Formats: sequence, structure tokens, C-alpha cells
Amino acid sequence: NAGVTQTPKFQVLKTGQSMTLQCAQDMNHEYMSWYRQDPGMGLRLIHYSVGAGITDQGEVPNGYNVSRSTTEDFPLRLLSAAPSQTSVYFCASRSGTGAGTDTQYFGPGTRLTVL
Amino acid sequence: GDSVTQMEGPVTLSEEAFLTINCTYTATGYPSLFWYVQYPGEGLQLLLKATKADDKGSNKGFEATYRKETTSFHLEKGSVQVSDSAVYFCALSTYSGNTPLVFGKGTRLSVIA
Repeated sequence: NAGVTQTPKFQVLKTGQSMTLQCAQDMNHEYMSWYRQDPGMGLRLIHYSVGAGITDQGEVPNGYNVSRSTTEDFPLRLLSAAPSQTSVYFCASRSGTGAGTDTQYFGPGTRLTVL
Repeated sequence: GDSVTQMEGPVTLSEEAFLTINCTYTATGYPSLFWYVQYPGEGLQLLLKATKADDKGSNKGFEATYRKETTSFHLEKGSVQVSDSAVYFCALSTYSGNTPLVFGKGTRLSVIA
């Protein structure tokens, strides 16, 4: 298993540009999430999904869109990039919420810089 | 709401020193508790977990005990190595609702030879 994969690893955008961060998992996990990591702020939840066709907002959803058309993929779209979105983005997945299924697996991250 | 509080860093230790990173939580019900580790330039990976009171999670010489009475899950290691230098995150997962894990802000550990 590849686990959770993310592309690209690095990206530089200009203010106002749009782009999609890709995330895929091959573990047949129902739950997928997007976090951003900023210095001193820990991980903040952007959006999450509990299954194909179902998404919900996290702590910091503004400026981001998500969709979940398949179990495997959970792309994050930046609609109009702003310097405040400069961050490292992590995608994560887990199979469920019970004691044996709630371990969350993370991708390697995408480092995004918005100029 | 649910929350995790962990000690502020950075923490700098000499090799073979004893490590404690404090973590306390607030949650409804009986959460699972986790420690994740993030090595430089990498994503987070699970270090250890505990799913019920008095459980002890352990891995790579690290240990943490789920203390319901003090709502704590402190991370300990008896003798740290330079290779343990990383950021450590405490997290919880509750069984109510569908929300993902709740994370603390992370504690950066630097171990010097």
C-alpha cells in the first residue's frame, strides 16, 4: 500500500491564482481530512469528509473548497490564493471512529507559498 | 468542545536525558488518545495510542498512560537520542459524531549530543 499520497510536494502561486492540491489513499478509508500547519499554530482542520459525496467544514474553511466523488480521492481547491494561505497542507485518512479504526494516517504534505 | 493542551516548546535536552512532554485533554465521553511525531520535512506518523483509562501505549522506548482522573496523557522516554529530535503532537478522538482528530499545538524537541 502507498498509504496517503499528496501532490505536488511544493508549489508557488501568485496572489489570485487558483489551484488544486491532490490527495489519494489506497486503504479504502471512509474518513479523509485536510489540515494546514503554520508555525506556532499546530494543525488546523480545513475540511473533512466521512464518505464519498459527504463533506463538512472544519475550523478554517474560508478560501478552500473540497469534493469527494470517490472513496480514494479528496482534492482541496484554492479558489483565489492569498498570502495568508502560505502554509504546509496535510491530508489524512482513517477507516472509522471506533477504538480499532480511529488511527489517522497522514500524507507527506504540500508546501505552498503564495506571493 | 473537545480540546488538547500540551506543554509549550521548544524543549532542548542532552542525549540520554529523561523526557516528559505534558498533555491534558477536555472531552465528552471516553476518547482515544494519541501521540504523533513529525520528523523534519515529513508528515505526521503515529507514535503510540491508548483507547481506555489506565491503558499504556508504548513504542520506540516512548510511553504514555491514559489517566482519566487527571485527564492526562503525558509522553515519557527514559533516555532520548539525537534521532528523537522532532515535533510531538498529542491528539484525541471521540466516538461521538464524525469529526476528525483534535490536536494539540505540538512540542518541538531538540536533542543535542
